[in-house]
Amino acid sequence: AQTVTQSQPEMSVQEAETVTLSCTYDTSESDYYLFWYKQPPSRQMILVIRQEAYKQQNATENRFSVNFQKAAKSFSLKISDSQLGDAAMYFCAHHTGANSKLTFGKGITLSVRP
Amino acid sequence: DAGITQSPRHKVTETGTPVTLRCHQTENHRYMYWYRQDPGHGLRLIHYSYGVKDTDKGEVSDGYSVSRSKTEDFLLTLESATSSQTSVYFCAISRGTTGGPEAFFGQGTRLTVV
Repeated sequence: AQTVTQSQPEMSVQEAETVTLSCTYDTSESDYYLFWYKQPPSRQMILVIRQEAYKQQNATENRFSVNFQKAAKSFSLKISDSQLGDAAMYFCAHHTGANSKLTFGKGITLSVRP
Repeated sequence: DAGITQSPRHKVTETGTPVTLRCHQTENHRYMYWYRQDPGHGLRLIHYSYGVKDTDKGEVSDGYSVSRSKTEDFLLTLESATSSQTSVYFCAISRGTTGGPEAFFGQGTRLTVV
């Protein structure tokens, strides 16, 4: 079974600084996808970034980038130039290629200090 | 935004009563998911569906059943509600691995069992 672990429950970053959120996962599959989702206080789940396991290149979306280490089963999210609007809960998620099962970690609450 | 609607958005019910939550999509996505979100636990998969009448259990399926008689509707039933089922419930949809694995979420249903 797939598991996703986010071991840090909370993190804080100064506005304009860079922060990295950690995630590890366990899977027996070679074909899968990884995601980071953001959940602001509105409770809406927002897709931040996606990574295909077969791609070696790390995904990037504007100020958000990932460090994907397939052998280590690690998938961290880097937020550059942090903004107040980045304050939210962030979830790491694993999607199996075989049956499209989507498993989430426990999430991390990110606060941004002005 | 993906056309996905959850109903009701809020519900208070008594212990022992059956409750049905509805997820309706207008996107014709093959996969549909039900999650519950609780503090300290992140999003946990209850059940998911990979087609009409095709469903599978997630990690916290006890006490829940689902049905999908049409592509657009995925129902979650609490057969006899208990206080431990007080939670926020999210529905999500996806095209799956071949069509696009990103999941899009409804706005959530806050259920309180008293």
